[in-house]
Amino acid sequence: DAGVIQSPRHEVTEMGQEVTLRCKPISGHDYLFWYRQTMMRGLELLIYFNNNVPIDDSGMPEDRFSAKMPNASFSTLKIQPSEPRDSAVYFCASSSYLIGPNYGYTFGSGTRLTVV
Amino acid sequence: AQKITQTQPGMFVQEKEAVTLDCTYDTSDQSYGLFWYKQPSSGEMIFLIYQGSYDEQNATEGRYSLNFQKARKSANLVISASQLGDSAMYFCAMREEGGGADGLTFGKGTHLIIQP
Repeated sequence: DAGVIQSPRHEVTEMGQEVTLRCKPISGHDYLFWYRQTMMRGLELLIYFNNNVPIDDSGMPEDRFSAKMPNASFSTLKIQPSEPRDSAVYFCASSSYLIGPNYGYTFGSGTRLTVV
Repeated sequence: AQKITQTQPGMFVQEKEAVTLDCTYDTSDQSYGLFWYKQPSSGEMIFLIYQGSYDEQNATEGRYSLNFQKARKSANLVISASQLGDSAMYFCAMREEGGGADGLTFGKGTHLIIQP
């Protein structure tokens, strides 16, 4: 299995531009999570999906952030317009209850976003 | 109140010594899971070990073991015979079963440096 695949690995964009981060979960996993990591706030859960349906988006910082999961093998996190304070590493993770008690939480390699 | 507390921002340890990384947690759920992840300088999140709240035995995975003290709400990670490659950030995380919360809540992490 290729694991959780995120793209791009690095993104540098100018303030005000739209940014789209992409994630392909592990095949068969029915949960998908988006996390953000910053020095100040650590790892924060932004939103998660179960069977492609958004379950909890209370961690999404504001309306500039949106996430979709159109099918079981693809999800996007979009920031529009982007701001310098959005600079962070964004992780996607997937899991499944069927894996066992630890749910097989697996993280992607992350996307390092820099907004200038 | 923080749900996961890691009180050691940084640690220096001599190679081949055992290391204990502290983690305390706060939950009112009876059913929960505790995780440890390693994040090397390359940035990926690597799953190390899992402990379920109902597990009577402490979890072990190779050189990693989890010292689970339920009454104290602590879940310390023990690394035996440390190696230079163990130098990384280590994160403790919890998944609570109640209320439909499926994401992980992370601590701030401990930066472990193994010295030769």
